[in-house]
Amino acid sequence: KQEVTQIPAALSVPEGENLVLNCSFTDNAIYNLQWFRQDPGKGLTSLLLIQSSQREQTSGRLNASLDKSSGRSTLYIAASQPGDSATYLCAVLYQGAQKLVFGQGTRLTINP
Amino acid sequence: DAGVIQSPRHEVTEMGQEVTLRCKPISGHNSLFWYRQTMMRGLELLIYFNNNVPIDDSGMPEDRFSAKMPNASFSTLKIQPSEPRDSAVYFCASSLSGYGYTFGSGTRLTVV
Repeated sequence: KQEVTQIPAALSVPEGENLVLNCSFTDNAIYNLQWFRQDPGKGLTSLLLIQSSQREQTSGRLNASLDKSSGRSTLYIAASQPGDSATYLCAVLYQGAQKLVFGQGTRLTINP
Repeated sequence: DAGVIQSPRHEVTEMGQEVTLRCKPISGHNSLFWYRQTMMRGLELLIYFNNNVPIDDSGMPEDRFSAKMPNASFSTLKIQPSEPRDSAVYFCASSLSGYGYTFGSGTRLTVV
């Protein structure tokens, strides 16, 4: 069964720290992997998209990596800020599929 | 592009009434997805369309739910009759052949 897992479910860190969010998937035959951010009561905002052939993508203070052989992706957030507080969702599009498989998300709190 | 546009943003209705949610995907995208999000069940895929054709509606909870996509720029999700347990946030998302999903801001439905 193709599953996506995010651990931990919640994370709280002080402002200014660098942090890593984890995502693991059970089948390495993926087409792409996408990281989303969701603020309370809001929709999902796409942060980064990594194609199967890529190892990482960067946007500002965010860096996402992909290791298909180990079935893992990480989202690195540098110099965290209170505005980074949100739920972060990892989603995988497997090869031959047309629908994303979502992880349950990591709820991140950055304390001032 | 204005992104994926959903209407209404909020809907409060009485049990037994018909509810229609609307979605305008990003121009040029060929896939459209309807999701439901609740605290208890997280993000659930209800149905998706490819080139305006429904591909998989296995996530539609009951016959009370129906979805249409009459053309490439418009889709509706209808609930008739509505029940309190249908209260949730409903998201629409679109994609171009799986190359990244874009989500709308959602419709918060409350059935009283």
